[in-house]
Amino acid sequence: LAKTTQPISMDSYEGQEVNITCSHNNIATNDYITWYQQFPSQGPRFIIQGYKTKVTNEVASLFIPADRKSSTLSLPRVSLSDTAVYYCLVGGYGSGNTGKLIFGQGTTLQVKP
Amino acid sequence: EAGVAQSPRYKIIEKRQSVAFWCNPISGHATLYWYQQILGQGPKLLIQFQNNGVVDDSQLPKDRFSAERLKGVDSTLKIQPAKLEDSAVYLCASSLALAGGGEQYFGPGTRLTVT
Repeated sequence: LAKTTQPISMDSYEGQEVNITCSHNNIATNDYITWYQQFPSQGPRFIIQGYKTKVTNEVASLFIPADRKSSTLSLPRVSLSDTAVYYCLVGGYGSGNTGKLIFGQGTTLQVKP
Repeated sequence: EAGVAQSPRYKIIEKRQSVAFWCNPISGHATLYWYQQILGQGPKLLIQFQNNGVVDDSQLPKDRFSAERLKGVDSTLKIQPAKLEDSAVYLCASSLALAGGGEQYFGPGTRLTVT
């Protein structure tokens, strides 16, 4: 399973766009990239998942370059309520894969007023 | 739809005592996971069930931890005897996917304190 590396912490201000980059140099062909958000005293919550290029949903965008060795989670116009820990994970799909997710330390995002 | 339910939410025990946690996944979800999250760290997978069979328990300390998922629905995680280092939040998650991958839905967790 590919190991991920992401910044320990980031600061931002309300209304700004926040980009959190994750490095996963050993990503395998059938690995997907998934991001989770975790608030204190809660379980992680799924944000977005992608395989290549760009994925966008109602809360975030995920940019994946052609070599897939990194990915960037983009949060548009953050608010105070986006203060949380963000985890980048890689994991496989399909027959023979358990879908096992390995969580790293995550990135603690602090949004300031 | 109802989310993943866990109980109890909090538990305080003394070392060497035993404790059990219960999880009810989202209806229809084939895969169930138990994670241990120590303060300041990311969740660590302890065991993964697919229906009522174990898929991965490589990080489960089997000398003291056990888990079962009867009838492929509810699951219990037990620790016996507990150690101080078992103090953590125990998270249960479930997913619809059978062959791995897919979105995992997490419960609120059980915070265990071992004194």
